[in-house]
Amino acid sequence: GAGVSQTPSNKVTEKGKYVELRCDPISGHTALYWYRQSLGQGPEFLIYFQGTGAADDSGLPNDRFFAVRPEGSVSTLKIQRTERGDSAVYLCASSLELGELFFGEGSRLTVL
Amino acid sequence: AQSVTQLDSQVPVFEEAPVELRCNYSSSVSVYLFWYVQYPNQGLQLLLKYLSGSTLVKGINGFEAEFNKSQTSFHLRKPSVHISDTAEYFCAVSAPSGSARQLTFGSGTQLTVLP
Repeated sequence: GAGVSQTPSNKVTEKGKYVELRCDPISGHTALYWYRQSLGQGPEFLIYFQGTGAADDSGLPNDRFFAVRPEGSVSTLKIQRTERGDSAVYLCASSLELGELFFGEGSRLTVL
Repeated sequence: AQSVTQLDSQVPVFEEAPVELRCNYSSSVSVYLFWYVQYPNQGLQLLLKYLSGSTLVKGINGFEAEFNKSQTSFHLRKPSVHISDTAEYFCAVSAPSGSARQLTFGSGTQLTVLP
């Protein structure tokens, strides 16, 4: 596609449930990033992939959060045992190495 | 580690007036600097960036920013705003190399252009 695609655009779940958020980056972009944006805040870095491997996962808040990018393209952010505090917009971005980041429109997660 | 401070959370301004959105950063290494805009229900869009060279950077939609190393600032300016410029603006910093390639964002400034 022309841009970064994220699905679902909206997800409502109950506390304790498991959630997967998907990111389809721009074709050919080697780097992929996940950010989390809470209401009234700037995006907060979670994890960065270069190819298939996580080059930096220092932003993941705890071990309930995990992300994969098995074939170096699509990435999935996985959240186990969701908590109300996980409610936020999860943003994905991709880039050519050292290039401009292109962001998707985000997946809004609401944990009830 | 880098950090970004956007001093104003909200900036109201009348249409056709000039505007300046302030951004200060801290970093122990040289940095790249960015301004992103987020329109309602849309993704972040790059307005402009400073990588090296001229400290005055021009971006899309008539915006410009000036990198001031001594004051560690990268303020965003537009001489005459339009209603359509109403959006959230984020300043961001990244390190040119190493593991800190990801962007560190400020908390954002909501620009509201009034008729």
